[in-house]
Amino acid sequence: AQKVTQAQTEISVVEKEDVTLDCVYETRDTTYYLFWYKQPPSGELVFLIRRNSFDEQNEISGRYSWNFQKSTSSFNFTITASQVVDSAVYFCALSGGHSGGSNYKLTFGKGTLLTVNP
Amino acid sequence: GAGVSQSPSNKVTEKGKDVELRCDPISGHTALYWYRQSLGQGLEFLIYFQGNSAPDKSGLPSDRFSAERTGGSVSTLTIQRTQQEDSAVYLCASSLRRSGRPYEQYFGPGTRLTVT
Repeated sequence: AQKVTQAQTEISVVEKEDVTLDCVYETRDTTYYLFWYKQPPSGELVFLIRRNSFDEQNEISGRYSWNFQKSTSSFNFTITASQVVDSAVYFCALSGGHSGGSNYKLTFGKGTLLTVNP
Repeated sequence: GAGVSQSPSNKVTEKGKDVELRCDPISGHTALYWYRQSLGQGLEFLIYFQGNSAPDKSGLPSDRFSAERTGGSVSTLTIQRTQQEDSAVYLCASSLRRSGRPYEQYFGPGTRLTVT
């Protein structure tokens, strides 16, 4: 069975602070994929990143960066110099990676509510 | 281009009534997923459609829930004899589908279902 744990239920920071959202996963698959989604107050889930289990390189996209460590089964997300517009619920998710007719359904963590105060 | 659309955006129904929720995926996306988001359970997978293959219904919580996808495009999720515990936001997502790796899923705005 797959499981995603986001231990931080809520985080509150002041604008321009850096913040890291934690994600720990469990899976028996040797090939799997990890995702981060953002859900702003408007409600629509927005895709941020996909990472496969064979690629442990960290990724940076603007103020966003992701740290994937297989040894600790973690896929943490850092926002540098946070802004008020970053306020949202952030979900980490996991899917299997079997080839040939598999179902790539997502298993989500419970989400972390990030509030960035001006 | 147009994203995933869902209708209605809000639905209030009385306990025991049937409801139908609609999803229009992104054109060209062959994979379609339904999820449910509730305070207690978070985001849960319900059902998956891929092309003409039999759907994966493993996430449906009871036999009151069913879904169909017509012509490989529009999907309808039906809940019969609604119960208060069915109250949630029902999210639809679609993605491209290639053997070997999952593409990112694009989500619709959801249908907020309230059972009174």
